[in-house]
Amino acid sequence: GAVVSQHPSWVICKSGTSVKIECRSLDFQATTMFWYRQFPKQSLMLMATSNEGSKATYEQGVEKDKFLINHASLTLSTLTVTSAHPEDSSFYICSARGGARGIEERNSFFYEQYFGPGTRLTVT
Amino acid sequence: GQNIDQPTEMTATEGAIVQINCTYQTSGFNGLFWYQQHAGEAPTFLSYNVLDGLEEKGRFSSFLSRSKGYSYLLLKELQMKDSASYLCAVMDSNYQLIWGAGTKLIIKP
Repeated sequence: GAVVSQHPSWVICKSGTSVKIECRSLDFQATTMFWYRQFPKQSLMLMATSNEGSKATYEQGVEKDKFLINHASLTLSTLTVTSAHPEDSSFYICSARGGARGIEERNSFFYEQYFGPGTRLTVT
Repeated sequence: GQNIDQPTEMTATEGAIVQINCTYQTSGFNGLFWYQQHAGEAPTFLSYNVLDGLEEKGRFSSFLSRSKGYSYLLLKELQMKDSASYLCAVMDSNYQLIWGAGTKLIIKP
C-alpha cells in the first residue's frame, strides 16, 4: 500500500513553454502533498506544501506565480512550471502524507511521506 | 534556526557494518525519519523513531536519543546495493520535515 505515482517521469521542453507534472496517491487519500526539487548531488529542497482544497504554502524563495500548484482532490496534485527556463531543469519529486486514519499517532504512516518516483525536467 | 547535520560521505567494505550519525536542532520534535535514495531515484522510507531507543528492521537499525538530539542508522552485512545516499529528516512542531543534506555511502568490494 501507500503508492504514489508521478507523470511524466521525464520531460524535455523548450524555454518559455509550460510543463505540468501530476502526482497521484493510488491507494490512499493524501491530505497533504509536498513538492520538492533536487539538483544533482544536492539534498531535497521543499518547494511547497499543499492541502486538498486550499492554496499551497510556498517556501521562501519559491515563486508561486512560476510554480503553480493545484491540489483539487485527495488523490491528485499538479505542479505547473510556467515559462520554463534552463535553470528550472531539475529533478522534481512529489510526496504524499495520509494523515490520521484511525491509526495510532506513533505509527509512522500518520506522519510518513510517501514519495513518487520523480520527474526529470530538462529545459532547452 | 533549524539544523540537521550528517556526514557528507562515508566509505565502507562489503560485508562490514557502518553507522551513519545525525544530529539535529529543531523547533519541536515529532519524530525522526531515515530515507534511502539511490542516484536518480526518489527517496524510500527506511525507519521512523519517535521514542528513545533502538528500532531494528532486518539489516538496518535506527537509534534515537531525544535528549541529545542525536540519531544513527546502523547498516549490517553491507551489500553493494546499499551504496546510496541516506537522508535524515526530523518532523518539527508544525509537522514539517526538515531534511539533512544526506550522507553518500560508498561500498567497496
